[in-house]
Amino acid sequence: QVQLQESGPGLVKPSETLSLTCTVSGGSISSYYWSWIRQPPGQGLEWIGYMSYIGSTHHNPSLKSRVTISVDTSKNQLSLKLSSVTAADTAVYYCARGVSMPHYFDYWGQGTLVTVSS
Amino acid sequence: DIQMTQSPSTLSASVGDRVTITCRASQTISSWLAWYQKKPGKAPKLLIYKASSLERGVPSRFSGSGSGTEFTLTISSLQSDDVATYYCQHYNSYPLTFGGGTKVEI
Repeated sequence: QVQLQESGPGLVKPSETLSLTCTVSGGSISSYYWSWIRQPPGQGLEWIGYMSYIGSTHHNPSLKSRVTISVDTSKNQLSLKLSSVTAADTAVYYCARGVSMPHYFDYWGQGTLVTVSS
Repeated sequence: DIQMTQSPSTLSASVGDRVTITCRASQTISSWLAWYQKKPGKAPKLLIYKASSLERGVPSRFSGSGSGTEFTLTISSLQSDDVATYYCQHYNSYPLTFGGGTKVEI
């Protein structure tokens, strides 16, 4: 059974960089498409971007150039960096496995809450 | 971007009722639509992909239909375990976008 687990700081200061890691177990990261998705409090789901094991990537234009997503196949991990954060970036962040291209998501992590506050 | 609009935003029904949720796309997406179930504090769960294909392990009371711009998720006989928020998502093109969600209550 594939499992995904997000980890990282729960509190980030405004203007700093949010950094999260997603560890994949029960399956290899060396296939499929790996995305980050977030849900601000009381709001809907927003796709952030994806990276595949071969390095193809696409980000949501709404986040402009603030997003960096990378895959470490040796550790079976996916990472997210979001720079210049503001309170609007406060959300539960999920990693998810994407199927097909473009993709839907068949496995998700439990999510991790990141609060942006001084 | 393709906008996804769900209705209703909240739905209250009784156990055993047939429940239908609608999702409309701002432009045609063929059948590139997925449905998810989201419970508080839990990861979203894939129910339906390609508009009408049931994900393995999902109860057969869930079904999806539609193509083009209008889609529906139907629960044929609502169970107490189905209390959740349901989201549609298109995967026709990037960026991927989700509907605003439909909260189902008993």
